[in-house]
Amino acid sequence: DIQMTQSPASLSASLGETVTIECRASEDIYNGLAWYQQKPGKSPQLLIYNANSLHTGVPSRFSGSGSGTQYSLKINSLQSEDVASYFCQQYYNYPYTFGAGTKLELK
Amino acid sequence: QVKLLQSGAALVKPGASVKMSCKASGYTFTDYWVSWVKQSHGKSLEWIGEIYPNSGATNFNEKFKGKATLTVDKSTSTAYMELSRLTSEDSAIYYCTRGATGRYWGQGVMVTVSS
Repeated sequence: DIQMTQSPASLSASLGETVTIECRASEDIYNGLAWYQQKPGKSPQLLIYNANSLHTGVPSRFSGSGSGTQYSLKINSLQSEDVASYFCQQYYNYPYTFGAGTKLELK
Repeated sequence: QVKLLQSGAALVKPGASVKMSCKASGYTFTDYWVSWVKQSHGKSLEWIGEIYPNSGATNFNEKFKGKATLTVDKSTSTAYMELSRLTSEDSAIYYCTRGATGRYWGQGVMVTVSS
């Protein structure tokens, strides 16, 4: 199975700040990567697919980048509604696997 | 619009089975794979498997083979997952999603295994 190592596990940032979350795959996943946002008590919501494509309706302050085994999610100008947990997922190979998640809080 | 409506929470005894549903609407059910994902309390997500409604073809995470059974009813655009021989480790929220990249998710089903 492809292991997804996500960092950091938790993150505290101020409003307006830029934050970056990283995911490292145990092998090349050829951009088969998605990022999700999950708020407490809610289902995960897709933010980014194919490593860098913004899902419909997602604010442009979210962006994804990377290739090979290294990927990142960047949130520009952090807003209060961005407080949530974030997960990466590879769907290049079965079984699809997720990172352990990053909990983002306001400082 | 696309919706995935899941069945309600379940409280089940150890050793029993539970079957949950995921009713799709707003798109052609047979055109997209339906995946199932487990989220244990406060933890990350695990992909269980997927089913292609048009053919019934399935792909599973080896970890869940023998634990999960995936079926569909094309006449009602509903996907089902049955979990068998339940233990406390199966207590979790289970989501259905459309496709490999979860563009659409159900609201989740909380399964509690307790005597």
